[in-house]
Amino acid sequence: QVQLVESGGGMVQPGRSLRLSCATSGFSFSGHGMAWVRKAPGKGLEWAAIIWYDGSLKYYIDSVKGRFTISRDNSNNTVNLQMNNLRPEDTAVYYCARGAVGANYFDYWGQGALVTVSS
Amino acid sequence: DIVMTQSPDSLAVSLGERATITCKSSQSLFYNSNNKNYLAWYQQRPGQPPKLLIYWASTRESGVPDRFSGSGSGTDFTLTISSLQAEDVAVYFCQQYYTTPITFGQGTRLEI
Repeated sequence: QVQLVESGGGMVQPGRSLRLSCATSGFSFSGHGMAWVRKAPGKGLEWAAIIWYDGSLKYYIDSVKGRFTISRDNSNNTVNLQMNNLRPEDTAVYYCARGAVGANYFDYWGQGALVTVSS
Repeated sequence: DIVMTQSPDSLAVSLGERATITCKSSQSLFYNSNNKNYLAWYQQRPGQPPKLLIYWASTRESGVPDRFSGSGSGTDFTLTISSLQAEDVAVYFCQQYYTTPITFGQGTRLEI
């Protein structure tokens, strides 16, 4: 069955870096776009970044542009989110999500990784 | 950016009764070339990741009970639960995937 498992979350000071990884299995990874969606405490869902199935296109929400980088390894079925210069407002549960074929709605989600940015 | 606005913010419905949540987008989500509305609905139970319920505004995801239905076109959409069950207590989100940035509604909390 389809599985997405995030790792790499934790507590970090403002200005520092963290790298999230999402290990996937149970589907043809190279056929799907992948995204990171976050949920801050007491707030709604916020899409952060997306990468096309072949890595050719990447998009980010404005608030993370220049600080976050999404990447994928189609040989190891993983997608990553490198987060630099973290801010307190980046504190959230970060979900890895699989894009549907040919459309950017998300049909499978991981359990999430908590990132806390605090001094 | 396309702004997604849900109403109400919270809703209490009796077991077996109908629940209706609306979602309005700041611009049309209808794409003329394929006659599709780029709108999805998700359910998020406490402590769980979101779960896809509906895509293309009205197509039910495999395994989703048929009491869940989606309707609407253009800028106005509705999620209906025809007969509320206890396990439907959750927060519901709409999402547009017409363009980036992908955006979600603020969520509607559904209670018994």
